[in-house]
Order: sequence, then structure tokens, then C-alpha cells
Amino acid sequence: ETGVTQTPRHLVMGMTNKKSLKCEQHLGHNAMYWYKQSAKKPLELMFVYNFKEQTENNSVPSRFSPECPNSSHLFLHLHTLQPEDSALYLCASSQDGGEFQPQHFGDGTRLSIL
Amino acid sequence: AQKITQTQPGMFVQEKEAVTLDCTYDTSDQSYGLFWYKQPSSGEMIFLIYQGSYDEQNATEGRYSLNFQKARKSANLVISASQLGDSAMYFCAMRETNQAGTALIFGKGTTLSVSS
Repeated sequence: ETGVTQTPRHLVMGMTNKKSLKCEQHLGHNAMYWYKQSAKKPLELMFVYNFKEQTENNSVPSRFSPECPNSSHLFLHLHTLQPEDSALYLCASSQDGGEFQPQHFGDGTRLSIL
Repeated sequence: AQKITQTQPGMFVQEKEAVTLDCTYDTSDQSYGLFWYKQPSSGEMIFLIYQGSYDEQNATEGRYSLNFQKARKSANLVISASQLGDSAMYFCAMRETNQAGTALIFGKGTTLSVSS
């Protein structure tokens, strides 16, 4: 079962390209997240959206631009990235506000910057 | 200071044996949640088990159990009867509040290798 779907699974792009990562959750959750996972580093939070409102931007460079048009969809727009941005980008969602609930993750987009 | 510490970069175990993956955490909150995730080489993060700070009993989920020692601030994952498919990266994570949109704080992970 894939409650959180990410596309594409793999992306190779040049530093001057513009591309977008897409995330869709089918779980009826009210919060969505972007995480970055680089080699040999813990997962780093990038952005948090709660009820479509961005609640956190974890000092992410402006070349990453999130968009959350509704509570089920989350995008990460990429523009003029750097080689160090090559990483696995994971989207997650959760239902927040009551008891602690786990975040459910997508399969990730493996991004390579040439 | 690290909020989540996983001191074992790699662990090796034989099939059918039990293994314990260590996790210690640091928080001044009274209410928090602790989670374990599994990440196979394909990349997806799979939720395994959850322990709430007020839960008096250790969480269990099939072959997974969480050895929660609140005074020592540790939340070790125990996998019983290891299987080859358990080979993966394992992450301990904490959520300090349940306010909407609060993110997880992850440790660096432990790579588990199960051999036949």
C-alpha cells in the first residue's frame, strides 16, 4: 500500500534546469513535510505545511521553493541547483493535533545534479 | 547537542537471532513520542513502532519491541528472530510536541546486516 506517492523516483538534472518534485498523500492527513537525506547524514527537515499553510522553513536556500495547493498535494520546485543538492528527497504526511501519530513517507525522489 | 543519538553505525546478526539497536534521546519536554523507522536500500521509510512518553508498557509490534527506559532516556529497538529481509538502515526519531506540523528529529541511523 502506498499512502504517500512521490514522482519522479529518479531525476537527473543540470544546474541550470528547472524541475519539480511531486508528492500526493491519500491518507486524509493534515500536515505534509519535505525532508532531505544526504549520504551519511540524518534526515534534514526542509519544509512543513499544516492545513496548506507553511509553518516551517528550515533555513532552506531559495533555489528550493515549496508549493502546497491543497492538503493532499505538495510540490518542491527546483531551480539552479548545486552539486551538493544531490540527495534523496522524502515527502511525508501525518495527522496532527491529537495523540502522537507517525509520519508516513513516500518512496522518495533520488536527485542527481550534474 | 544531538537530540537523538544512535551510537552503532553498523550491526551484524545471524538469521533467527535477536538484535538490539540503541537509541538515546535528549528532551526537556514531559510529553513526547519516539518512533523507529526502517529504510531498505530502495529508499522508502517504513514506520515500525511508536512509544509515547506516558506509556507505562513497552510498545510491541510483531517481532519488534521497544525497550523504553525513561529515566535513562533510552528507547532501544529489539528485533526478535531476525530475517534476511530485516537488512536495512534503522532510524530512531522523536517528536517533542504533537502540535500540528511539528517535524520528527532523526538520529543518524544504524545499518543492520542479517546473514544466513
